[in-house]
Amino acid sequence: EVQLVESGGGLVQPGGSLRLSCAASGFIFSDHWMSWVRQAPGKGLEWVANIKEDGSVKDYLDSVRDRFTISRDNAKNSVYLHMNSLRTEDSAMYYCVSQTMVVSWGRGTLVTVSS
Amino acid sequence: DIVMTQSPLSLPVTPGEPASISCRSSQSLLYSNGYNYLYWYLQKPGQSPQLLIYLGSNRASGVPDRFSGSGSGTDFTLKISRVEAEDVGLYYCMQALQRLTFGQGTRLEIK
Repeated sequence: EVQLVESGGGLVQPGGSLRLSCAASGFIFSDHWMSWVRQAPGKGLEWVANIKEDGSVKDYLDSVRDRFTISRDNAKNSVYLHMNSLRTEDSAMYYCVSQTMVVSWGRGTLVTVSS
Repeated sequence: DIVMTQSPLSLPVTPGEPASISCRSSQSLLYSNGYNYLYWYLQKPGQSPQLLIYLGSNRASGVPDRFSGSGSGTDFTLKISRVEAEDVGLYYCMQALQRLTFGQGTRLEIK
């Protein structure tokens, strides 16, 4: 069974930084793209970033490009989202998503950007 | 990016009655391997989206057989044969052919 467990969320001031982690199990992690998707309170789902199996290709939502960095460690079956220069509009639940044929989601980690 | 459009956005249903949600994509989701990269999720309050249907028409493990998905290319439908009270929530379609994009969500409520 695929399991994705996110961590690293919390309360941070505008301009601050956070690093989200996602620990994956139950599938061959190094064979699949991974994504981060977020959902602001009361809003819809928004893709944030993705990364290719070997980490050689990364793509970002325009509004986070240059502030967020996605990375992965296939030896640790983990994917990360480094978030810098955080803004209030980045406040959301952040989900880790494995792009296997049966796309699976974690339970999310909450990021709140507020002074 | 591929734009996903759901309808209706609100769906009041009497228990035991059928329900149907439409999802249209701005580009074909049919890949060269024969699969449509279209997914259906149900999100209940305070929970992450739970997978109902993957690759257009495959029911996920543990999903009741009253849920079914159909369609190909750009037009897809999620059907619930007989709505139950536990089916209340927000239904999303998602495409995974390119950058993940999502429909606006359809809120199913019990009349």
